[in-house]
Amino acid sequence: TQLLEQSPQFLSIQEGENLTVYCNSSSVFSSLQWYRQEPGEGPVLLVTVVTGGEVKKLKRLTFQFGDARKDSSLHITAAQPGDTGLYLCAGARGGATNKLIFGTGTLLAVQP
Amino acid sequence: KAGVTQTPRYLIKTRGQQVTLSCSPISGHRSVSWYQQTPGQGLQFLFEYFSETQRNKGNFPGRFSGRQFSNSRSEMNVSTLELGDSALYLCASSQRVSTDTQYFGPGTRLTVL
Repeated sequence: TQLLEQSPQFLSIQEGENLTVYCNSSSVFSSLQWYRQEPGEGPVLLVTVVTGGEVKKLKRLTFQFGDARKDSSLHITAAQPGDTGLYLCAGARGGATNKLIFGTGTLLAVQP
Repeated sequence: KAGVTQTPRYLIKTRGQQVTLSCSPISGHRSVSWYQQTPGQGLQFLFEYFSETQRNKGNFPGRFSGRQFSNSRSEMNVSTLELGDSALYLCASSQRVSTDTQYFGPGTRLTVL
């Protein structure tokens, strides 16, 4: 059972376009992380959101954590070819199963 | 600081064989987690080690095992390999717990023929 569903699964856009990636769950997470993975490499952390409703900006990337801490979104403004990669959200749940649960991933290709 | 290193980077095995993968975490990181990444299932948590003890385990069969040494280096072993074990195996280290920021290695690409 996949607890974190990402949409879209694949996205191919032209340089300069805007896009939004969604990460949804029916479960509550104590925090949510976003990673980007490039071919031949491991994922690299972009941001961690902790508070419901929190918005964080990283240059052209805007991350939002849902008010109920069940979902998150990543918005990229004016995408560039360097944004190409696999975007993964990962939720942390406390208690006995204190581990990261990764989303299904969104593969983004930005064409020059 | 040097990043997380994994060896080997690529491995080809046949069904029924066993394999051992190695991971050296970032200096000072005590938690090491292992993940399996496949196109169909995405990134799946295998297990986490902290201070030489397995602290958390994912839903994988007993053929998958691991250990951590006193210097925090970790190994994972897969016995009786199956075709479905073909995947990218990622190791990640963090300072304290596996829900802290994960610093991933480049992975070991395992192909089972």
